[in-house]
Amino acid sequence: NAGVMQNPRHLVRRRGQEARLRCSPMKGHSHVYWYRQLPEEGLKFMVYLQKENIIDESGMPKERFSAEFPKEGPSILRIQQVVRGDSAAYFCASSPPNKAPNYEQYFGPGTRLTVT
Amino acid sequence: KNEVEQSPQNLTAQEGEFITINCSYSVGISALHWLQQHPGGGIVSLFMLSSGKKKHGRLIATINIQEKHSSLHITASHPRDSAVYICAVRRSNYQLIWGAGTKLIIKP
Repeated sequence: NAGVMQNPRHLVRRRGQEARLRCSPMKGHSHVYWYRQLPEEGLKFMVYLQKENIIDESGMPKERFSAEFPKEGPSILRIQQVVRGDSAAYFCASSPPNKAPNYEQYFGPGTRLTVT
Repeated sequence: KNEVEQSPQNLTAQEGEFITINCSYSVGISALHWLQQHPGGGIVSLFMLSSGKKKHGRLIATINIQEKHSSLHITASHPRDSAVYICAVRRSNYQLIWGAGTKLIIKP
């Protein structure tokens, strides 16, 4: 059973370009979470999605960032017009469709975005 | 004050030593996670606790809900244990609040 997969692992973009980060959850998981880890900082929650629904995007910057988790295919975190401050590691986690609040999150390897 | 505090921030020890990393939190939680992050690598979930104690190999995690404190112990430490260990707490919803991490270096 493959774990959470993220691609690309490393992404370099020039200022003003778009970055698309993909996350394929574990098989059978329908909940996806995105976290951002800025250099020398801890992880911060960005967004929580279920299939075709954004449940909580309170951690997402108001502009340029968007996320989706379509019925088919991976979850996508999209950053438009990237700036140097977007350089960070972006981690995706998934959890099963469990209604209990204590379901565990399984993490992907992360995508390291560098904006030049 | 951060809602999740870890100590120490950095820890260097010799191979074979018993390691303890502490996590204190100031909010009500439904669960606490210990995770491991290797340099340049991904994040691995080690434990999820809501009470008591869990053991996996040389790793032991304990939590005291009344005192809002958890510890991660590593017995017979090895250089491959060198990593950042992160404590994260779950509030009543799904969000994780993360500690800053403890950077552990085990010297051979």
